[in-house]
Amino acid sequence: QLQLQESGPGLVRPSETLSLTCTVSGGSIRSSNYYWGWIRQPPGKGLEWIGSIDYSGDTYYNPSLKSRVTISADTSKNEFSLRLNSVTAADTALYYCARRAAVGRKFDYWGQGTLVTVSS
Amino acid sequence: DIQMTQSPSSLSASVGDRVTIACRASQFISSYLNWYQHKPGKAPNLLIYEASTLQSGVPSRFSGSGSGTDFTLTISNLQPEDFATYFCQQSYNTPYTFGRGTKLEIK
Repeated sequence: QLQLQESGPGLVRPSETLSLTCTVSGGSIRSSNYYWGWIRQPPGKGLEWIGSIDYSGDTYYNPSLKSRVTISADTSKNEFSLRLNSVTAADTALYYCARRAAVGRKFDYWGQGTLVTVSS
Repeated sequence: DIQMTQSPSSLSASVGDRVTIACRASQFISSYLNWYQHKPGKAPNLLIYEASTLQSGVPSRFSGSGSGTDFTLTISNLQPEDFATYFCQQSYNTPYTFGRGTKLEIK
C-alpha cells in the first residue's frame, strides 16, 4: 500500500523559505505514469494545487505561485520536496503531498497533511 | 483558472438516506472531474474519477454522473462512516482547481 508522509517545520518566519519533504513508501517515485505534487488548504479556505514533478524531473506549477515555488525530487531517498520562498501570513495552510495518476488524472494517494504557520 | 462551485456547502442527513452533492465548473471540462472524501486529520480519499468511474475499493453506494460543466455525487444508503466533507476537483487543465467542499453531517 502506497503511503505518503509530509515533514518539515511547522513554523516559518515571514519573508523566509518554507521547506517540506514528502517521503513515499510502498512504491517508487520513478514510476513513469505518475506525478508527485503538493496541494495546500489555508484555514477556512478551499484547496489550492501548488505544483507537481514527474518521473523525469519535469515540473508543473500553479501560475499564481510559480515565481516563488520549487519542487524537486531525490530518487535515491524516494522523496520529493517543496520550497516556497518569501512567505507571508497568506501562506499559512495545511500542506498535503499527493500522487497524481496519468490515467484518470486523479490524485489517488495523499499524505495526511502538515500545518505550516507563517508568523514572527 | 476554472472555478469549481459546489452545493450545498453543508448537508444534514440520516443513516440510510440518499444524498446528492452538486459541482459546477465555470467552463467545459469534459468528464475530467474527481470526487474526494475527507475526514479531519486524515488523508483525503479518492472516491470517483473521470466523473463516474468508481475508484478501486470504494463502496458501490457512491456514484458520480455528469459531463461538460455539471456533475453530481450521489451516496445511497448512508452509513455512519460516510459523514465527512466531500469535494470535487477538475483535472481538465492546469492549474487543477477544487470545490470548497460539502460537509455532510448526521441529522
